[in-house]
Amino acid sequence: DVKVTQSSRYLVKRTGEKVFLECVQDMDHENMFWYRQDPGLGLRLIYFSYDVKMKEKGDIPEGYSVSREKKERFSLILESASTNQTSMYLCASSLARFNQPQHFGDGTRLSIL
Amino acid sequence: RKEVEQDPGPFNVPEGATVAFNCTYSNSASQSFFWYRQDCRKEPKLLMSVYSSGNEDGRFTAQLNRASQYISLLIRDSKLSDSATYLCVVIRNTDKLIFGTGTRLQVFP
Repeated sequence: DVKVTQSSRYLVKRTGEKVFLECVQDMDHENMFWYRQDPGLGLRLIYFSYDVKMKEKGDIPEGYSVSREKKERFSLILESASTNQTSMYLCASSLARFNQPQHFGDGTRLSIL
Repeated sequence: RKEVEQDPGPFNVPEGATVAFNCTYSNSASQSFFWYRQDCRKEPKLLMSVYSSGNEDGRFTAQLNRASQYISLLIRDSKLSDSATYLCVVIRNTDKLIFGTGTRLQVFP
């Protein structure tokens, strides 16, 4: 079974802090993704990566950056956290083959005070 | 207009009932389709892929109608454990998934 692990299940941070969310997958997947999920808005793609050191903006990249230094690890960074970034953050991974489904981590519920 | 649209529900059905959800997509270039299930406060999990010819997995049947641009999920003999939100997912010609906002199903005894 694919295992996608997110570093924290719940996280509380303050406005202006730099926040790191970590994600690790153990299936040697090429693709990794970061989403946020908010009530009524569904899942929205923040950033994704097809390979080590590669990144692509998703639909809502503003206020976020990412890092992929190793194939198994994809980090999401909130440069200066704001209250509107309070959300559920979900990491996912998939094979690079065309039209592959994604496998999700448990999610990190982040609250910015 | 959203690229993928679902009725948010909730659909409240008794155990044993048959229930169906539809999901419409606006981009005719969409190529792959999936249904995911998400339990409250949990991550989405792949339920099934949707193939052009339709496919069945136990009590679950998925159908694709390209002409009308929708996919459907049919659940027969509903169980209490089927209560969840069902997310429709569409892939265009990239690896990016487009998620619907989900349809909530509540099965009652």
